[in-house]
Amino acid sequence: NAGVTQTPKFQVLKTGQSMTLQCAQDMNHNSMYWYRQDPGMGLRLIYYSASEGTTDKGEVPNGYNVSRLNKREFSLRLESAAPSQTSVYFCASVPGTSGGNEQFFGPGTRLTVL
Amino acid sequence: GNSVTQMEGPVTLSEEAFLTINCTYTATGYPSLFWYVQYPGEGLQLLLKATKADDKGSNKGFEATYRKETTSFHLEKGSVQVSDSAVYFCALRKGGGGATNKLIFGTGTLLAVQP
Repeated sequence: NAGVTQTPKFQVLKTGQSMTLQCAQDMNHNSMYWYRQDPGMGLRLIYYSASEGTTDKGEVPNGYNVSRLNKREFSLRLESAAPSQTSVYFCASVPGTSGGNEQFFGPGTRLTVL
Repeated sequence: GNSVTQMEGPVTLSEEAFLTINCTYTATGYPSLFWYVQYPGEGLQLLLKATKADDKGSNKGFEATYRKETTSFHLEKGSVQVSDSAVYFCALRKGGGGATNKLIFGTGTLLAVQP
């Protein structure tokens, strides 16, 4: 199993450009999450998908959209990138609904917006 | 609301020293508590967890005990190695299960172990 994969690993955008970050998991997990990691702020939840066909806002959703394409894939879209969106983005997945379940993380996408 | 507070880093130790990274939380109900580790250039990996009061999570020589009376989940290791150098995140997940019970992370503590 590859676990959680993310593409691309690195990306540089100009202000106003758009892009989609891809995430896929091959563990048959129900729930998927998108986080951003900024220095001194830990990880903050952008959006999540409790199950295929559902998505919900997290702590910092402004400027982002998501699509749960199928059970495996959960993409994050920046429609008009801003310098404030320079960050490292992590995708994660969870098997089920138990409170003690571990979240499995992808390797991250490092995004710079100029 | 729910929150996690962990000690600021960086924490710099010599090899074989004792490690403590403090973590306290604020939450309603009975959350599950986690420590995640992030090695340079990688995503987060679960290090250990505890799902109820007085539980002790342990893995790779690291331990943490879920203390409800002090709302704490401090990470400890008796003898650190250079390979333990990483960023450590404390996190909580609200009780009751369900994917909507999201992880709430602390800000992370950078540990640097010198030979």
